Parts: sequence; C-alpha cells; structure tokens
Amino acid sequence: AQSVAQPEDQVNVAEGNPLTVKCTYSVSGNPYLFWYVQYPNRGLQFLLKYITGDNLVKGSYGFEAEFNKSQTSFHLKKPSALVSDSALYFCAVRASGDYKLSFGAGTTVTVRA
Amino acid sequence: DVKVTQSSRYLVKRTGEKVFLECVQDMDHENMFWYRQDPGLGLRLIYFSYDVKMKEKGDIPEGYSVSREKKERFSLILESASTNQTSMYLCAGGARGTYEQYFGPGTRLTVT
Repeated sequence: AQSVAQPEDQVNVAEGNPLTVKCTYSVSGNPYLFWYVQYPNRGLQFLLKYITGDNLVKGSYGFEAEFNKSQTSFHLKKPSALVSDSALYFCAVRASGDYKLSFGAGTTVTVRA
Repeated sequence: DVKVTQSSRYLVKRTGEKVFLECVQDMDHENMFWYRQDPGLGLRLIYFSYDVKMKEKGDIPEGYSVSREKKERFSLILESASTNQTSMYLCAGGARGTYEQYFGPGTRLTVT
C-alpha cells in the first residue's frame, strides 16, 4: 500500500520569507511524486513532479521540490513567498506502473502581507 | 490548455435520490478518475477508467458506480444518495504513458 503524510495542517509565513511545505511518502518500488495546489473553490492545479533524474525539481510559480530517497521525503519550497501563494497544497505519490495516485491530507498555507 | 469540465459546481439532492455527476475532458486522454475531497482526509479515489467501457474500483467505491461510454466522458453515479456522501467531487484526466493528472473545478454535493 502507498501513502503520503503531510505533517503540518497549516503553515504561516510572512511575505518575502522562504516557504516550505513538508511531505513524506511510503510506496513499493520507485516513487512518482507530485505537488498540487488548490485555490478556494477551484480544482487542483499541477505544480511539479519528480519521476527520475535530478533530485531538485522546478515547477510553476517559482516553486521547487527536493526528492530525498533516504528520508522518503519530497518537500515543497519557495525562496520568497507571495500573498497570492496562500492556498491548500497537496502532495501525492504513485508507484511506477500504477494508475493510482495517493494524496496527503493537505497543508493550508497562509502568507501574510 | 487542457480542460476538464464538470456539469455542476453546486448540487443539492435529497436522501435516496439517484445522482449523476458528469465529467468531460477535451484532452483525448485515456485515463479518467473520480475523487472525493473531505477536510483532513485529502483526496480519495472512488473509481478510475483506463479506456472506454473499462473501469476499476479505487479506495472507496461503496455506494458509487461509474459509466464510460465515450472516451471524453466519465460519469459518477450515486444510486441512492446518503448524507455521508455530502462532499466535494473532483474529476481528473490523464494521458496513458504520462504522469500528471488534470483536474476539473469540482462539484460540491450536499445530500439532505
């Protein structure tokens, strides 16, 4: 069975400060890892993915994530947060060769001006 | 731009009613998915389909069925709605051989 843990329900940062949203995963075999963002009353938008290769992945809106195999983590980062980054963030994992994505419970990010 | 549309943004139904949630994608994707989203639980997979007329159960299929008669359309059916099916329902599409899924805007269903 595969699973994702997002240990923080909420993250609060000041605009201009670095933003980190944590994610750890469990999966059999090689993981495919994803981050999605959800703005209020909207569907999920794809941010970035790790499939293979470089452990540092860059995505949309200035976000990046680092894959750490030994710690089974895939933390999302942004060097300088904006108020418009305030949203609900989901980490997801699937095993290679599988269709199914498993999502974490989500982390609400609030960036204050 | 890829596009996934869902027939309703908000829906209110009574207990025992049969409910149809429709999803259409314009991406020519083989794979389509139905999830429900509940606070503190994230997204949970109800059913998915990897081809026309093909379907597989996800993690929480009880009380739901699906239909995929055409490649672009994937319907979720609640045979007899119950109050514990009040939730946000999200449809997604994905191309075979690629990795990410693309989501519709969601349908917030309330069963009273």
